[in-house]
Amino acid sequence: NAGVTQTPKFQVLKTGQSMTLQCAQDMNHNSMYWYRQDPGMGLRLIYYSASEGTTDKGEVPNGYNVSRLNKREFSLRLESAAPSQTSVYFCASSVMGQFREAQYFGPGTRLLVL
Amino acid sequence: GQQLNQSPQSMFIQEGEDVSMNCTSSSIFNTWLWYKQDPGEGPVLLIALYKAGELTSNGRLTAQFGTTRKDSFLNISASIPSDVGIYFCAGLQGAAGNKLTFGGGTRVLVKP
Repeated sequence: NAGVTQTPKFQVLKTGQSMTLQCAQDMNHNSMYWYRQDPGMGLRLIYYSASEGTTDKGEVPNGYNVSRLNKREFSLRLESAAPSQTSVYFCASSVMGQFREAQYFGPGTRLLVL
Repeated sequence: GQQLNQSPQSMFIQEGEDVSMNCTSSSIFNTWLWYKQDPGEGPVLLIALYKAGELTSNGRLTAQFGTTRKDSFLNISASIPSDVGIYFCAGLQGAAGNKLTFGGGTRVLVKP
């Protein structure tokens, strides 16, 4: 099991460029999440998907869109990148059951917007 | 939104010492989670707590779900150098797909 995987690991964008961050999990989890982590701010939820076919806004959704492509994959898109979106982005997934709602994180994507 | 206040913000440890940190909130949570994050990595789940008063251990780590359901504590016994990192608490209020609220983290460093 690879767990939660994210691509790319690093990305540099110019202001106004677009890109999609990819996330996949092989744990058969129902719920998936996108967070951003900034110095001194902890982890803030951007969007989440409780189950395949549904997505909902989190705390800081502006400037982002998401797609739950299937049960395994949840992508995050920046349509027009801004310097304020420079951050580390983490994808996570969770499952009901023994560790209900405990979220498991990917290794992160480090994004720099110039 | 909800806030989780995590303290201390940072601490220095000496090998062999016991370490304690806590997380408090003005809101009630049904689940408390503790994560550790190493530099350049994603957070890794350490302990999950699901019941008020619950005390759970994972090796040298012990965490407790406060009886008021508004706080949680993490203890590390006999610390070792690899305990260095950032520890985050997180709370969940509802059912599947609901949002975790994270604390600001406790940065554990080694005493020079």
